[in-house]
Amino acid sequence: DIQMTQSPSSVSASVGDRVTITCRASQGISSWLAWYQQKPGKAPKLLIYAASTLQSGVPSRFSGSGSGTDFTLTISSLQPEDFATYYCQQANSFPFTFGPGTKVDIK
Amino acid sequence: EVQLVESGGGLVQPGGSLRLSCAASGFTFSDYWMSWVRQAPGKGLEWVANIKQDGSQKYYVDSVKGRFTISRDNAKNSLYLQMNSLRAEDTAVYYCARGQQHRNWYFDLWGRGTLVTVSS
Repeated sequence: DIQMTQSPSSVSASVGDRVTITCRASQGISSWLAWYQQKPGKAPKLLIYAASTLQSGVPSRFSGSGSGTDFTLTISSLQPEDFATYYCQQANSFPFTFGPGTKVDIK
Repeated sequence: EVQLVESGGGLVQPGGSLRLSCAASGFTFSDYWMSWVRQAPGKGLEWVANIKQDGSQKYYVDSVKGRFTISRDNAKNSLYLQMNSLRAEDTAVYYCARGQQHRNWYFDLWGRGTLVTVSS
């Protein structure tokens, strides 16, 4: 199985800050990567797929990059509604696996 | 409205069985791969199983193989997860998720989840 790791596990930031989250796969997954946002008590929401493609309706302050084993999610200017946990997911091979999550909270 | 609504969760004893359902509406259910994804309390996400549009292909995470069965009824716009021989470690919120059209392995629509608690 492909293992996914994320760093940091948590980050404290202020509104307006630029936040970058890293995701690493245990083996190459090309661009088969998605990012999800999850707020407490809610279902995850797809933000980015194919490593860098923004899902319809997602604000442009979210961006993704990377390929192979190393990926990043960047929030260019953090908004109050962005405080949440973010997960990466590899879609290269079964079983699909998620990273452990990165919690973004208020500084 | 495009939505997925799960049901069937509850408290079950170890070794017991439970059948989850997911009702789809607002889109052509038979056009999409569908998945179950679970989340143990306070933990991360774990993909459990998925099924092709016509039910001809199914895939499972190793930890549930032989115990869980995913199925669908396109006439009823419904997805199911039959869970047998349940263990404490199966305790989680179970989400029904839709695979993106043409990029089946990304989940673009999720239900609100149903909680399964395995405990004596």
